[in-house]
Amino acid sequence: GAVVSQHPSWVICKSGTSVKIECRSLDFQATTMFWYRQFPKQSLMLMATSNEGSKATYEQGVEKDKFLINHASLTLSTLTVTSAHPEDSSFYICSARVAGGPERETQYFGPGTRLLVL
Amino acid sequence: GIQVEQSPPDLILQEGANSTLRCNFSDSVNNLQWFHQNPWGQLINLFYIPSGTKQNGRLSATTVATERYSLLYISSSQTTDSGVYFCAVRFSGGYNKLIFGAGTRLAVHP
Repeated sequence: GAVVSQHPSWVICKSGTSVKIECRSLDFQATTMFWYRQFPKQSLMLMATSNEGSKATYEQGVEKDKFLINHASLTLSTLTVTSAHPEDSSFYICSARVAGGPERETQYFGPGTRLLVL
Repeated sequence: GIQVEQSPPDLILQEGANSTLRCNFSDSVNNLQWFHQNPWGQLINLFYIPSGTKQNGRLSATTVATERYSLLYISSSQTTDSGVYFCAVRFSGGYNKLIFGAGTRLAVHP
């Protein structure tokens, strides 16, 4: 099946620093990638949708200047948490949608990145 | 508004037991996926099933789109089945995102 990787898997940083998370589709091309956030014991909440070569679409309540998303190629999207604060500590998960094929609407998820801001 | 509801919220089973998880959705969908989130947080695709029935080993799923529900069956449960099961849907009508239910937290004891 399709594989999505994320890097890093764990980040611990000081308040005020910026953190970049990479998401790659390893064996398929993804015209659309998604970024989710999950707090403990809760479900996944969509933060933004990114299409290759265009600006990301952010969900209501998500600050676009704080969570910078770049989808530079069909296999790579990055999320940068700028000036991170303790309340940004969470589990960030990326997802990629398969382009074409019999199950083209299927989304595959990366292993997630745990961010802890001290 | 558009909603995805899962039941039960929590489920405790003895190893070897069978179970049925339910997902209700409020409008027509063009994508429905079932996932298993393991204890390390990885979401594992179980089924892409906007309609019909599929089976994969001990797991099977059925979606009755006209009645707006989907069921996930787990037979002969094992301790490795423990984790959270999510149903996620993409509603028809121009939506471009998967909306997740709250999940069913399953614990299988030996």
